[in-house]
Amino acid sequence: GNSVTQMEGPVTLSEEAFLTINCTYTATGYPSLFWYVQYPGEGLQLLLKATKADDKGSNKGFEATYRKETTSFHLEKGSVQVSDSAVYFCALSTTNTGNQFYFGTGTSLTVIP
Amino acid sequence: EAGVTQFPSHSVIEKGQTVTLRCDPISGHDNLYWYRRVMGKEIKFLLHFVKESKQDESGMPNNRFLAERTGGTYSTLKVQPAELEDSGVYFCASSQVVGREQYFGPGTRLTVT
Repeated sequence: GNSVTQMEGPVTLSEEAFLTINCTYTATGYPSLFWYVQYPGEGLQLLLKATKADDKGSNKGFEATYRKETTSFHLEKGSVQVSDSAVYFCALSTTNTGNQFYFGTGTSLTVIP
Repeated sequence: EAGVTQFPSHSVIEKGQTVTLRCDPISGHDNLYWYRRVMGKEIKFLLHFVKESKQDESGMPNNRFLAERTGGTYSTLKVQPAELEDSGVYFCASSQVVGREQYFGPGTRLTVT
């Protein structure tokens, strides 16, 4: 079946620190991979995506590379800001499951000045 | 362009009562999805509409949940009668094309006491 496993939180970092949030997946077929972010009081927003192996998604300084050999899609940012404090969700969708999304449990990030 | 909206933002009801959640997708989006996040766990798929038809309702937990999408526009999700384990955040999402990005609403936080 399809599932996503992401690192447990909460994560607390100082401003300008390096961020990695691990995400691994199992999937039937050929999944597309996504990172969504939920800022306090808001809905989920797409942060970045990758639709095939070796693709790199990037946005707002965040990056993630679709690694088929390790079934991973780790989220990274070189220098976090206080405004990056949010909950981050890794997700996948596959064409053979009606394109419903499968999400991880979410990782809460707090960046302190 | 207006995003996905959901109403209410919060609902607190007693066990055994009925609650109806509403979702207004982005105009022109034929695909509408409902998801639920129980406290601290992953966001789980409930069902998928294409226009007014239920494409996939494999995630609906039981027959106390009834989803409708009259006329292929807004959708409602009714829980009757509500149980304690129904508490969580209910998200709605829409997409123009299956397989593309899903746009999420802010969610409805349901608390059953």
